[in-house]
Amino acid sequence: GAGVSQSPSNKVTEKGKDVELRCDPISGHTALYWYRQSLGQGLEFLIYFQGNSAPDKSGLPSDRFSAERTGGSVSTLTIQRTQQEDSAVYLCASSLGLAGAGGYEQYFGPGTRLTVT
Amino acid sequence: SQQGEEDPQALSIQEGENATMNCSYKTSINNLQWYRQNSGRGLVHLILIRSNEREKHSGRLRVTLDTSKKSSSLLITASRAADTASYFCATRQGGSEKLVFGKGTKLTVNP
Repeated sequence: GAGVSQSPSNKVTEKGKDVELRCDPISGHTALYWYRQSLGQGLEFLIYFQGNSAPDKSGLPSDRFSAERTGGSVSTLTIQRTQQEDSAVYLCASSLGLAGAGGYEQYFGPGTRLTVT
Repeated sequence: SQQGEEDPQALSIQEGENATMNCSYKTSINNLQWYRQNSGRGLVHLILIRSNEREKHSGRLRVTLDTSKKSSSLLITASRAADTASYFCATRQGGSEKLVFGKGTKLTVNP
């Protein structure tokens, strides 16, 4: 079946512009996660959704970052007034459910490489 | 602070050799996962070990977990050139949904 898809795969934008990154999770996956990976670094958690709600927004780096999910499916990560330090690969993952104490595998998309010039 | 820290940062071996990567973490966890990443893009889940498990196998992969030392190891036996990738450990703490990743070990398997 189809995996997690993300678009665009690459995005080059000028400093100060807004960008929208899209994630299509695996059908039926209720949990959706956004991460950011800077060059040569590990993944930095940004936000997760259970259904359409985002109980934990603590990972968002600043108020320029926002995310929404509609219909329990597609999610959009928006970065306003982009800065050069926002340049990174933005990865989306989905899973069948929340981890709780059990743990669910997260399925990752290929990522969006954002370059802010 | 970084929860998972992989060691070594980079590892280069010959095909057929075994590769061992280690991960240390700071706080109590309910499970630990290992992921592989090729070419800096999407991650692939390899194996999950729960806090009440000590060892788990999957094909050529063997993962151990020592909660008293807050450490885990990933062993890849009989490595292949296709195993060349970065390997990350990730931990989930308590009731948190946040998966905290280390910076990874970059493995190169030379043919």
